[in-house]
Amino acid sequence: QVQLLESGGGLVKPGGSLRLSCAASGFTFSDYYMSWIRQAPGKGLEWISYISSSGNTRNYADSVKGRFTISRDNAKNSLYLQMNSLRAEDTAVYYCARGDSTGCPDYWGQGTLVTVSS
Amino acid sequence: QSVLTQPPSASGTPGQRVTMSCSGSSSNIGSNTVNWYQQFPGAAPKLLIYNNNQRPSGVPDRFSGSKSGTSASLAISGLQSDDEADYYCAAWDDSLNGPVFGGGTQLTVL
Repeated sequence: QVQLLESGGGLVKPGGSLRLSCAASGFTFSDYYMSWIRQAPGKGLEWISYISSSGNTRNYADSVKGRFTISRDNAKNSLYLQMNSLRAEDTAVYYCARGDSTGCPDYWGQGTLVTVSS
Repeated sequence: QSVLTQPPSASGTPGQRVTMSCSGSSSNIGSNTVNWYQQFPGAAPKLLIYNNNQRPSGVPDRFSGSKSGTSASLAISGLQSDDEADYYCAAWDDSLNGPVFGGGTQLTVL
């Protein structure tokens, strides 16, 4: 069965950095687009980045462009999100998600909480 | 401010049929299919409907989706207390080149 397991969340000070990881299993990872989606406390879902199956194509929401970098290692079945220059408004649960044929998520991980606070 | 517009709340009594809407534009719902997700407090979203009206394996047929133009709807028939959750719509947006979500509808079973 498809499993996505995020890790790397935690408490970080404003301006700091954090790297999230997502370990995938139960499907051929290299065949799928992958996305990071976040949910601030008590708020809705916000897509922040996707990466193509090969890693050649990436896109970002304006809210994180220039600060966050998505990457993947198909040999390790892993997805990553490097987050720099973190702000209080980046506080959220970050989900790793597999993209369906349209690019929208079908399977989601359980999420990892990132808290940006001094 | 979410790109897709959903009513913040909906409610119904057990056994009733409830519907919730999702409004978008020509760059998202108008030109791409719609997914719906169910999310319980403290849990990750789960795919409920894909390709406007298809149910993944394991999703009861009480849940149904439809799309017309730049709007979509999710219907739940035979409402149960276990259906109390947040429901989100999503579609790919050709202008933003990424998926966009609605703000979510919180369903209360009275």
